Amino acid sequence: AQKITQTQPGMFVQEKEAVTLDCTYDTSDPSYGLFWYKQPSSGEMIFLIYQGSYDQQNATEGRYSLNFQKARKSANLVISASQLGDSAMYFCAAQTGGGNKLTFGTGTQLKVEL
Amino acid sequence: EAGVAQSPRYKIIEKRQSVAFWCNPISGHATLYWYQQILGQGPKLLIQFQNNGVVDDSQLPKDRFSAERLKGVDSTLKIQPAKLEDSAVYLCASSLVGSQGNYGYTFGSGTRLTVV
Repeated sequence: AQKITQTQPGMFVQEKEAVTLDCTYDTSDPSYGLFWYKQPSSGEMIFLIYQGSYDQQNATEGRYSLNFQKARKSANLVISASQLGDSAMYFCAAQTGGGNKLTFGTGTQLKVEL
Repeated sequence: EAGVAQSPRYKIIEKRQSVAFWCNPISGHATLYWYQQILGQGPKLLIQFQNNGVVDDSQLPKDRFSAERLKGVDSTLKIQPAKLEDSAVYLCASSLVGSQGNYGYTFGSGTRLTVV
């Protein structure tokens, strides 16, 4: 069974600064996928970025990048040039075992300040 | 393209009552998921369908929860009888069929259930 750990319950960042949200995972499967989702106060889960375990390069999507360190089993999300609208809960999730089921961490609440 | 539709948006019921949630996935998405998100936690998968067949229901409390996906399109999740600990957001998601990857994995806005 896989486990996702997000050790930062809350983070603050100033507008226009970069911020890193930590995520470590524990799986014995050689093939897996890692996701980051944003959940604003309205409740919907918004997909941000995906990294496959065999991908050679770190994933990037606009201001989001995933710092994938396979040996350390970490998949940190980097948000560059933070905006007020980035204030939300952020979840890391893993997909293993050849299925589509996602296992989520407990989330990090990000607050962007002026 | 239209997203994953869920209703109702909010529901308040008394314990021991029954409740049902509805989900309509993105057109063409064969896989449908129901997740339960308790306050302060990440979502947890309750059940996964592929077309109208169940792929994974290992974490569904089958003594009180049931789900169906007739005709392989929309789905309903039912709780009967509800307990206080069922208070949570129930998220529906859908995706294309694939062994791994994003495959258009999209969540609905959820139904917030409060059991009093």
